[in-house]
Amino acid sequence: AAGVIQSPRHLIKEKRETATLKCYPIPRHDTVYWYQQGPGQDPQFLISFYEKMQSDKGSIPDRFSAQQFSDYHSELNMSSLELGDSALYFCASSLGQGLNQPQHFGDGTRLSIL
Amino acid sequence: AQKITQTQPGMFVQEKEAVTLDCTYDTSDQSYGLFWYKQPSSGEMIFLIYQGSYDEQNATEGRYSLNFQKARKSANLVISASQLGDSAMYFCAMREDYNYGQNFVFGPGTRLSVLP
Repeated sequence: AAGVIQSPRHLIKEKRETATLKCYPIPRHDTVYWYQQGPGQDPQFLISFYEKMQSDKGSIPDRFSAQQFSDYHSELNMSSLELGDSALYFCASSLGQGLNQPQHFGDGTRLSIL
Repeated sequence: AQKITQTQPGMFVQEKEAVTLDCTYDTSDQSYGLFWYKQPSSGEMIFLIYQGSYDEQNATEGRYSLNFQKARKSANLVISASQLGDSAMYFCAMREDYNYGQNFVFGPGTRLSVLP
């Protein structure tokens, strides 16, 4: 079965640079979530989209923005990168927003800031 | 306050034995969902099992079962017949009704090591 696709898998950037992470949800999934997981931490929710509209916002810095496109893929744009942004970034998707809908995660993008 | 508590930072279990990973949660909602995820050292997050707050029966998925005690607000994951490939971080997560359609809250995780 098709899973959530994230690209790139690994990304190395320097401080103050920008980065764009991409996420392709499972076909027919209309909801996309972004998470940031620091080393040894649990995933922290950043932002989510339902039917191409932002549905919730978590601990996303103002330097980051995201959107969901007409084909339901999503991009997380990160600017003025800082050392503390080094983390594993997950995208997850679900079919609808019901309480019983699990979020299916991609393999993540490992971002390293030098 | 922590919404999800996993009191065992690390657990060891002998191969082929059963193990229980603890999860307690805090919510004032009547409707909520509880989920368990597995994260191997390779990093991906794998959905294991779901329990709804109104489900009367404990959820089961293969070797995974959920010991759901609503009054105690606990949702412990039981893995039967442990395998070496079960060695991973395990996260308990909750979605609440007031947070309808939005993010999960994750616990801090438990690292399970299966010994040969």
